[in-house]
Amino acid sequence: DAGITQSPRYKITETGRQVTLMCHQTWSHSYMFWYRQDLGHGLRLIYYSAAADITDKGEVPDGYVVSRSKTENFPLTLESATRSQTSVYFCASSNSGGDTGELFFGEGSRLTVL
Amino acid sequence: RKEVEQDPGPFNVPEGATVAFNCTYSNSASQSFFWYRQDCRKEPKLLMSVYSSGNEDGRFTAQLNRASQYISLLIRDSKLSDSATYLCVVNGDNAGNMLTFGGGTRLMVKP
Repeated sequence: DAGITQSPRYKITETGRQVTLMCHQTWSHSYMFWYRQDLGHGLRLIYYSAAADITDKGEVPDGYVVSRSKTENFPLTLESATRSQTSVYFCASSNSGGDTGELFFGEGSRLTVL
Repeated sequence: RKEVEQDPGPFNVPEGATVAFNCTYSNSASQSFFWYRQDCRKEPKLLMSVYSSGNEDGRFTAQLNRASQYISLLIRDSKLSDSATYLCVVNGDNAGNMLTFGGGTRLMVKP
């Protein structure tokens, strides 16, 4: 009964370090998403993937890299973390794209960049 | 102008009250509309979809006004457990027609 899991749940890092946030889903959903949530901005889409080996930029992709070699995994990498990337990151999955609505979110990864 | 705008609140209401939230969206071509609920420090979860004809789910009623480009959520007989942030969600004109989230409206129901 795992659903969608994110790791780590909490991470503190320093400016310039590389950080990878992991996301794993057990439903075989075709779509996966990464959002960041900040006060005053709400949830903003970073990257999404419609299927394995297919990824696309969202609203705020700069400074992030994603990959999707397997349907169930969708890691998000901050290649050189900056303070402005301090945020709560949510991974989500869906059987469809944006149209039909239900995204299933992980519990979030809280990242602090010092 | 933001694609999806909401009054951040907080709306402080007593138990049993009726409360309504509005949300405006900028993309007239949007076709799909939803309300999500997010509890403090938790992930968002789908509350209900919003259909053109309006729809009801228990104490919750959602309405869509395409002409004025807004959607609303009405909560009747508020419960303490309704305290949360309510996110308006619309499919947008971004790449891939992905969902765009509003900033959320915070509701606090008091005894």
